[in-house]
Amino acid sequence: QQQVKQSPQSLIVQKGGIPIINCAYENTAFDYFPWYQQFPGKGPALLIAIRPDVSEKKEGRFTISFNKSAKQFSLHIMDSQPGDSATYFCAASIRYGGATNKLIFGTGTLLAVQP
Amino acid sequence: SQTIHQWPATLVQPVGSPLSLECTVEGTSNPNLYWYRQAAGRGLQLLFYSVGIGQISSEVPQNLSASRPQDRQFILSSKKLLLSDSGFYLCAWSPVYEQYFGPGTRLTVT
Repeated sequence: QQQVKQSPQSLIVQKGGIPIINCAYENTAFDYFPWYQQFPGKGPALLIAIRPDVSEKKEGRFTISFNKSAKQFSLHIMDSQPGDSATYFCAASIRYGGATNKLIFGTGTLLAVQP
Repeated sequence: SQTIHQWPATLVQPVGSPLSLECTVEGTSNPNLYWYRQAAGRGLQLLFYSVGIGQISSEVPQNLSASRPQDRQFILSSKKLLLSDSGFYLCAWSPVYEQYFGPGTRLTVT
């Protein structure tokens, strides 16, 4: 119930391509869906996030598409660059213990953008 | 602006030795604080979270403990490290929904 399933596990695209990473969830109590980008040896960085009352959000070259009825959301990277090569994690947030929120993370997607 | 610090950046410790990792946040007050562990090539596992000084909740029973002696300080400890404690330890802070991660500590238990 509290799992977030992420696919694919790894992805290789050419420079300029549009990699798409997909996530699915079951628990309708999730109320916030962030994406994180992590470079080797670094902490994850918040990339973009969406709430379930919005179907799409764009920030620069990054777009989240959200399908509430299907309980799915995805990350699209427009005009991908070699510098986008990193591991991407989706997550879902749920209120927890009354005073905080808990993030449930997907298992990550290793993206390689070839020049 | 807010900044989160973790130290040390890397640590190599023998099995059975104690552990103390520190996390501090600047530029905010009364944040929610979290400790995560990330095994090599895997996702993030929530270990502890804290909503205030002295308030610690544990997610995973193990030989680790956490403390929050000050509003913006979060400490992860162990009395005796196990080989399985090796990993990348991440501290995060949250104002409301979003969580912001620190640079992490790479722990290798030998």
